Amino acid sequence: DAKTTQPTSMDCAEGRAANLPCNHSTISGNEYVYWYRQIHSQGPQYIIHGLKNNETNEMASLIITEDRKSSTLILPHATLRDTAVYYCIVRVVQAGTALIFGKGTTLSVSS
Amino acid sequence: EAGVAQSPRYKIIEKRQSVAFWCNPISGHATLYWYQQILGQGPKLLIQFQNNGVVDDSQLPKDRFSAERLKGVDSTLKIQPAKLEDSAVYLCASSLSTGTQYFGPGTRLTVL
Repeated sequence: DAKTTQPTSMDCAEGRAANLPCNHSTISGNEYVYWYRQIHSQGPQYIIHGLKNNETNEMASLIITEDRKSSTLILPHATLRDTAVYYCIVRVVQAGTALIFGKGTTLSVSS
Repeated sequence: EAGVAQSPRYKIIEKRQSVAFWCNPISGHATLYWYQQILGQGPKLLIQFQNNGVVDDSQLPKDRFSAERLKGVDSTLKIQPAKLEDSAVYLCASSLSTGTQYFGPGTRLTVL
């Protein structure tokens, strides 16, 4: 079973920041937090991952709380093309560990 | 860099027929995964290969599903015979041994 809890759906206005929360209260010390998204009729797309420090790349920022029990994915300026299902996944980075997906958060960006 | 390639993109078959899906991973990626995604759910791992060896096939319905990865590159997933409940998107992903997984576009299977 997935070790994360996410809201079922969220709405965001185009151009505004989208903040997607994720709870992972049972995360272990060697587990990373990964975020993927899945746009309709496409395969999941990797966004970002982190262990305990905040991370930023060209797509998004990942904020992980100090106790690592929750995190937030931030899309700084959401566009209509960011409408997708966003999955938060915790994973041990070692050979033989696949991703365990939950149901994710459906983000709807509107103009 | 080319991504993960999958074919066909869509397949419609009748129950009890057989079907095969093909995946070509990103060049140099030793680990290959097949996932099944039923409508409205997240993807679920079916089988994982490291080079041409199976790492995890615990969730593969072995009475009807089989997969191989000859020469440690391309992989084929087969269903024989198909059931109605096999209707799903079949996703292939690849990674360096412990790294980030990258997914292909998937094959949408409809079993009538």
